[in-house]
Amino acid sequence: EDQVTQSPEALRLQEGESSSLNCSYTVSGLRGLFWYRQDPGKGPEFLFTLYSAGEEKEKERLKATLTKKESFLHITAPKPEDSATYLCAVRDTGFQKLVFGTGTRLLVSP
Amino acid sequence: DGGITQSPKYLFRKEGQNVTLSCEQNLNHDAMYWYRQDPGQGLRLIYYSQIVNDFQKGDIAEGYSVSREKKESFPLTVTSAQKNPTAFYLCASSTSANTGELFFGEGSRLTVL
Repeated sequence: EDQVTQSPEALRLQEGESSSLNCSYTVSGLRGLFWYRQDPGKGPEFLFTLYSAGEEKEKERLKATLTKKESFLHITAPKPEDSATYLCAVRDTGFQKLVFGTGTRLLVSP
Repeated sequence: DGGITQSPKYLFRKEGQNVTLSCEQNLNHDAMYWYRQDPGQGLRLIYYSQIVNDFQKGDIAEGYSVSREKKESFPLTVTSAQKNPTAFYLCASSTSANTGELFFGEGSRLTVL
């Protein structure tokens, strides 16, 4: 069974304090790993797709990386507006549906 | 502006009543989805539709029903058979069912009194 585990559950940073969020996954064959951002009371917003180990994607202060077992979302010099829940999801080669992790709640204080 | 519109944003229902959540998209996407989000749990798939007049059950379809009579619309009915319907419901769409790049609506929060 496909599994996605995100850590930590919650993370509090000071503005400018860089850190990383982790997404560990178990699939029979990876057909894509996806990162989303979700603000409170809103729907998730797509950020990145990663397909193969070694791949990296960047957007502003965010950089996503992928290995054969996990993905990291690196946040460089975060700002308060980066505060949100970050969700990770995977798609297995054998299935069409996405499997989501429970997310990491990020709070960036000024 | 293109996007997905869910309504209502908040809904209260008495036990034993059916309720229908609306989802409309103007992105010309073929695939549409309904997810349920509960605290401490990942998004769970209720139903999805790859094309008009076709839909498949997800992981937690019991107590729910859907229809896909138009490409733009994918309403979800929460029936009285759903044992624990209080949750945040999210509708999404994508260009096809083969992509993980989903566009989500703002969500509908259902509370059963």
